[in-house]
Amino acid sequence: QQPVQSPQAVILREGEDAVINCSSSKALYSVHWYRQKHGEAPVFLMILLKGGEQKGHEKISASFNEKKQQSSLYLTASQLSYSGTYFCGTVPTTDSWGKLQFGAGTQVVVTP
Amino acid sequence: NAGVTQTPKFQVLKTGQSMTLQCAQDMNHEYMSWYRQDPGMGLRLIHYSVGAGITDQGEVPNGYNVSRSTTEDFPLRLLSAAPSQTSVYFCASRTRTGVVNTGELFFGEGSRLTVL
Repeated sequence: QQPVQSPQAVILREGEDAVINCSSSKALYSVHWYRQKHGEAPVFLMILLKGGEQKGHEKISASFNEKKQQSSLYLTASQLSYSGTYFCGTVPTTDSWGKLQFGAGTQVVVTP
Repeated sequence: NAGVTQTPKFQVLKTGQSMTLQCAQDMNHEYMSWYRQDPGMGLRLIHYSVGAGITDQGEVPNGYNVSRSTTEDFPLRLLSAAPSQTSVYFCASRTRTGVVNTGELFFGEGSRLTVL
């Protein structure tokens, strides 16, 4: 079952912050975050592992709450380059290591 | 390194026709996978492979076949195309890092398929 992302879309002005949430009905081993620009392939941002630390990429960071089976992606002081669709991917603890399943995505638009 | 290469980039088929989407990677990655991307649905896993000779089904495998005879190649076959298979297809690969999936996926540029 696909993880659920919220919100579906968010519009920001440059410099504003945003949070994207990802939740799963299954116990998770890892959560993966990717960003896709229009017409391009998804690009890796970061991975969060069970029992691991909060990770960061530029001014984008994320957390992983294992007990709640949730992850959040934090866009801090957003830049125009942050525009795109963000996908979370999850690997359940009981599943094989090959099945990385993605959510439906959150579209982020950063305006000047 | 070319990374992950997909061909063709665009294809139009008629219902019932067959075709193969090609995927090749030159990074010696053990793991390869195929996803389809549809508006509002995100990326959905079709099939994946953890090494030559080993394949398994993902979330939406019906209507698609795969094989993995070499480490480099992972073709996706549509035996009898249907309009519901109109989508953008992405091939992705990564190195195997331990038992559980913890590695970065490298995606190809995508193949846009239209079935009339």
